[in-house]
Order: sequence, then C-alpha cells, then structure tokens
Amino acid sequence: AQKITQTQPGMFVQEKEAVTLDCTYDTSDPSYGLFWYKQPSSGEMIFLIYQGSYDQQNATEGRYSLNFQKARKSANLVISASQLGDSAMYFCAMREGGADKLIFGTGTRLQVFP
Amino acid sequence: NAGVTQTPKFRILKIGQSMTLQCTQDMNHNYMYWYRQDPGMGLKLIYYSVGAGITDKGEVPNGYNVSRSTTEDFPLRLELAAPSQTSVYFCASSYSRLAGGLPTDTQYFGPGTRLTVL
Repeated sequence: AQKITQTQPGMFVQEKEAVTLDCTYDTSDPSYGLFWYKQPSSGEMIFLIYQGSYDQQNATEGRYSLNFQKARKSANLVISASQLGDSAMYFCAMREGGADKLIFGTGTRLQVFP
Repeated sequence: NAGVTQTPKFRILKIGQSMTLQCTQDMNHNYMYWYRQDPGMGLKLIYYSVGAGITDKGEVPNGYNVSRSTTEDFPLRLELAAPSQTSVYFCASSYSRLAGGLPTDTQYFGPGTRLTVL
C-alpha cells in the first residue's frame, strides 16, 4: 500500500487565487512528521512547511498553510494568492517516528497562469 | 554557508563505465541520503547513512555503493553503468532528532547531478 498518495498529477490556478494540493498518508505510527517540498523547473528541492502529528494547530509559513486532518489522514497544502513563481512540482513526504527515512509522494505539477 | 554541494552537475557515461558522485555538507548533519529522480517521477531512496561508518539500503540500491567515512562526505559509487541509471541524483542531509517522539528534521538537498548513460 502506498504510504503517501498525491492523486493530482497536475493542477492549474490563476494568479492571485488560492489552490489546494492534496496529500493523504498511511501509517500506524502515532508519531510522524509531514513535509511539503517544492521543485521548480531548475530542479532544486526546496522545503516549504512541516506538520507534526501531535501539533494541535495547522502549520503556516507565509502564503503556505497545511490543512491537517488527522482522522482522515490528509495533509493538504494550501497556497494563498498564487504567484507565477509558484509554478513547480510539489511533493508531500512523511517520516514516521520509528523510521530513518522520508517517504515521498509522486508529486503534483502546479501551473499558475496570468 | 554552502549547505549541501554535489559534483559534478552533469555527466555522460558509456555503458560499463564507473564513476563516483560526490556529496558534501557543512551543516554537521548526522543523516545523509542519496535519491534518484527519473523524468516526471518522484524521488526514490538509493542509500542513506545515519552517521559516519553507518550506511543502509533504501528502495533502489542495486548497482550502487556508498561509504561514509566522515560526517561531511557521502559519495555514491556507480559500478558498470547501465542506461537504466540515467537519472537526476540528489544528495540530502538532515540533523535527525526526535522532539517529544516526533521526527522534526527537515532534509536539505543538493542541486543534483544529471547523469546520462549511453
């Protein structure tokens, strides 16, 4: 079974609009961390936001927020006020407390149009 | 602050050749990782290390070898290159710690090495 699932291979959003990128995860470990990374066309991987499984509030970092619904095992990334520079691949990842490794989803390609 | 550096940026190999991809981090991170990313795909873990002298296999280790003799360096060796190893290779590092049982470490990635095997 997939540990991290990103069901949207591609998304389009108009500039200045908000967009939600979906991520669901599967784990039986009560301790885990969820991460979102951005990969622009230049190829580098950029950390965006982190959510711990015990965190009571949704994580926010500037225009990025994480809609964490623990019971549904979802950790959707919300980008507010999209900018052209947000066009990139976005990867959701999870690390379980008992593991040494991050598990990545297959990614969502976001395209922002004017 | 250099972060994670990788060399070379690009390389073309012939089938059967060998090479070493270099990775160095200057953040005193204990964990280091090697991933490969095939076109249009996500990241697959090749090998990782939780500290100097300790390495372990990831999801796709066949055809690769690693060593970790120092905290800073984590080279990836390709022996007998094959076209299936054409990919972009990323090295990453993190300071792995558990805070209240939660893994909180963020991985920092190098710029990648684009390898083509012909």
